[in-house]
Amino acid sequence: DAGVTQSPTHLIKTRGQQVTLRCSPKSGHDTVSWYQQALGQGPQFIFQYYEEEERQRGNFPDRFSGHQFPNYSSELNVNALLLGDSALYLCASSLVPSGGRADTQYFGPGTRLTVL
Amino acid sequence: AQKITQTQPGMFVQEKEAVTLDCTYDTSDPSYGLFWYKQPSSGEMIFLIYQGSYDQQNATEGRYSLNFQKARKSANLVISASQLGDSAMYFCAMREGYNAGNMLTFGGGTRLMVKP
Repeated sequence: DAGVTQSPTHLIKTRGQQVTLRCSPKSGHDTVSWYQQALGQGPQFIFQYYEEEERQRGNFPDRFSGHQFPNYSSELNVNALLLGDSALYLCASSLVPSGGRADTQYFGPGTRLTVL
Repeated sequence: AQKITQTQPGMFVQEKEAVTLDCTYDTSDPSYGLFWYKQPSSGEMIFLIYQGSYDQQNATEGRYSLNFQKARKSANLVISASQLGDSAMYFCAMREGYNAGNMLTFGGGTRLMVKP
């Protein structure tokens, strides 16, 4: 049973560039959430995709955008990179939110983004 | 106000002893879920245990148990018989609401170090 996978594992970009991160959900899951984890902090919710639409969004600017494909995989795009965007980006998958343990989110290994 | 508070930035425990990691939460929603995740140095968030707000009994998963005190709004993680491999960051997280998307709000984490 394949877990959540993310690519690439590491990425180095310069300020002003654009980046795309990719995520494949755990087998059988249909919902993908993205989180940003700055060094020494807990993860912060960016947004969640279900049925190829953004279902919920955290307090992140429009520079952060995403997409979900028919096979449930997802991309996170960040435009006009800032130094403060340097972080570990975590993808999590789950079944459609239904309350209870059924919608437990399972995380991938993350993509570590460094902005110089 | 912080929704999830973890007051122990770091803790030491002797191998084979039990340890309690504290978590308090703040919500006015009667329906919520509480999660604990383990994050080793590799970065992946590993799901440990879940407690629903309407669950009558404390959750248990192997060596992990959750001491849920609803009136005090606390959800402490108890790890019995600590092992060296338990050394990691531990995060408490909350999902508020039912069928409203399942954004997780995380605490700042506790770094657990198991001594041989």
